[in-house]
This record gives sequence, C-alpha cells and structure tokens, in this order.
Amino acid sequence: EAGVAQSPRYKIIEKRQSVAFWCNPISGHATLYWYQQILGQGPKLLIQFQNNGVVDDSQLPKDRFSAERLKGVDSTLKIQPAKLEDSAVYLCASSPGDSNQPQHFGDGTRLSIL
Amino acid sequence: TQLLEQSPQFLSIQEGENLTVYCNSSSVFSSLQWYRQEPGEGPVLLVTVVTGGEVKKLKRLTFQFGDARKDSSLHITAAQPGDTGLYLCAGETPGGSYIPTFGRGTSLIVHP
Repeated sequence: EAGVAQSPRYKIIEKRQSVAFWCNPISGHATLYWYQQILGQGPKLLIQFQNNGVVDDSQLPKDRFSAERLKGVDSTLKIQPAKLEDSAVYLCASSPGDSNQPQHFGDGTRLSIL
Repeated sequence: TQLLEQSPQFLSIQEGENLTVYCNSSSVFSSLQWYRQEPGEGPVLLVTVVTGGEVKKLKRLTFQFGDARKDSSLHITAAQPGDTGLYLCAGETPGGSYIPTFGRGTSLIVHP
C-alpha cells in the first residue's frame, strides 16, 4: 500500500512569512496526526483528526498555527506568521482507528526559519 | 516535564555489543509502542506491547513491558551498524481518546 505522503520535503522561509504543509494519509485511515519534531527531541503532537473532526489540538499554538482536514482525507497545516522557534520537522501520520492502532508516518517536511 | 522519560539519551557503541534502552513513566499506559527513526525519515513502528510483563522479540531486539505497565525496555543483542537510529517510545493512557505521547528518544550509533 502507498504510504503517507507529505510535501514539500524542505522549506526555507524568513521569520514572519507564512508556510503551508500538505499531507495525504494512507487510504482508508480515519485518524490523522500532525507532529512537530525539534532537533534532538521526540515528536510533539500538534493536532489529531478523526475523519474531519478535531480530537485534540491542545498543543497547537492557535495564534499562529492552523490545520484543516475538510473532506476527511488530505490535510494542510499552516503557520502564519512563522517564528524562529518554529524551525523543526513537521511529521504527518495516519492510523486506521483511534486506539492502540499503529501510526504510519510520512517522511516529514523540514522547515528552516531564517 | 516529559510524561515518558527515555534513557540514555545518547549511546555510541561498537558492532557486536549489547545494549538496553529504557522508557519510564509515573503513569500507567494501556499500551506502549517502540519506533525507530532514521535521519530524514519518519518513525517506523517496531512493536506494540499491551500486557503487563509482556516480552516480544523481533530478531535481535527484545522488548519488555513492565508488570505495572509504567515502563518498558528495549534490548539489542550483538548490535550492528544497521541498528543506528533514534529509538522512540510512545504511549497511550487508559480511557478516553487515544492522545499519543512520545519520549525524547535514544540516539544510537553503532560503529563498524
């Protein structure tokens, strides 16, 4: 089966600019996750969708970050405006359901803020 | 504070050596998962442990879930350069929706 697809793979922007990331989960997977992984740390969950509804976004900095999954399939994560501390790898993952289900990760988008 | 504490943070060993990495918490987990992540890639699931005291083996890797379901360990026998990577544990707390929590990871380098 095709894996989780993410684009772009790399993005370099200046602080205060905007950026958007796209994720296409594995076909049929109801749950989609966005993580932020800062160098040397484990992934931190930003937002979790179950179909097109938000399950948890408690760690999403809502003043600058937004995410949507309008049709319950693809998702986009946006940062506006970006700060230096947003430099990280943004990982998307999907799973069939919402409990004890293994997550399948994409290869991430590496974001560098100048 | 991290809900899941992993140790050691870094490990650099020679090929053929054995090693153990740990994942500890004060919280009870209904399941724990171990992932390996290589540079430039996303984490890949190695194993899920569900039952307290459970031991699972994957070739030279042995995973154990603590009896109280608060901790887990990963033991690698006769490490090889291909084992190099970031080892992450992730857990789900009992009840409610599954909100995954990851540890900071153990970065392993195996030198030939």
